[in-house]
Amino acid sequence: DTEVTQTPKHLVMGMTNKKSLKCEQHMGHRAMYWYKQKAKKPPELMFVYSYEKLSINESVPSRFSPECPNSSLLNLHLHALQPEDSALYLCASSLLRLNTEAFFGQGTRLTVV
Amino acid sequence: GNSVTQMEGPVTLSEEAFLTINCTYTATGYPSLFWYVQYPGEGLQLLLKATKADDKGSNKGFEATYRKETTSFHLEKGSVQVSDSAVYFCALSDRIKDTGRRALTFGSGTRLQVQP
Repeated sequence: DTEVTQTPKHLVMGMTNKKSLKCEQHMGHRAMYWYKQKAKKPPELMFVYSYEKLSINESVPSRFSPECPNSSLLNLHLHALQPEDSALYLCASSLLRLNTEAFFGQGTRLTVV
Repeated sequence: GNSVTQMEGPVTLSEEAFLTINCTYTATGYPSLFWYVQYPGEGLQLLLKATKADDKGSNKGFEATYRKETTSFHLEKGSVQVSDSAVYFCALSDRIKDTGRRALTFGSGTRLQVQP
């Protein structure tokens, strides 16, 4: 199984809503990542988890709150988002060793209205 | 800091034409280099990788060689197909700041359009 599964695929939410994005992998990867991708732009790193602990937060606003409940799951909790937060949110995972690639999910297309 | 520079797109080719997408990088350490491909509406898929100087990554007819002396990792394919139409991202994996953790840094992406 070399899949990273993200749900939902599409999400429309209002600026006062609270929602969560979910990501799951069963490859035994101990590093998991959230990236944000705006249209016609490359993915930008948001968060990195290593051994279920947050190791990198790339100055992301607090309205994005990541959570890693176990080694297979990664969540991104969303609250009070702005329309400019509309983007494709990509989850990825990798082994924690040198020279290894990351595996990406299909992404969640988020629209904030 | 680390950075990746890719040629501007879109690149428009006829089927069976030769493809080159240029990629150069700046890194403080010894990065691994990757090409990812993104089809419309989808996530990123690893196309190929190289982990040290002079390594050649290859997959599905695509090739790229890790050139440390020119800090480059250009993507090539001898004969493109319509199904190769996608956005191609060059990326490097290196340590982030002082964390000791690695993550990918991406180039801006190059859109390839192959016409029948």
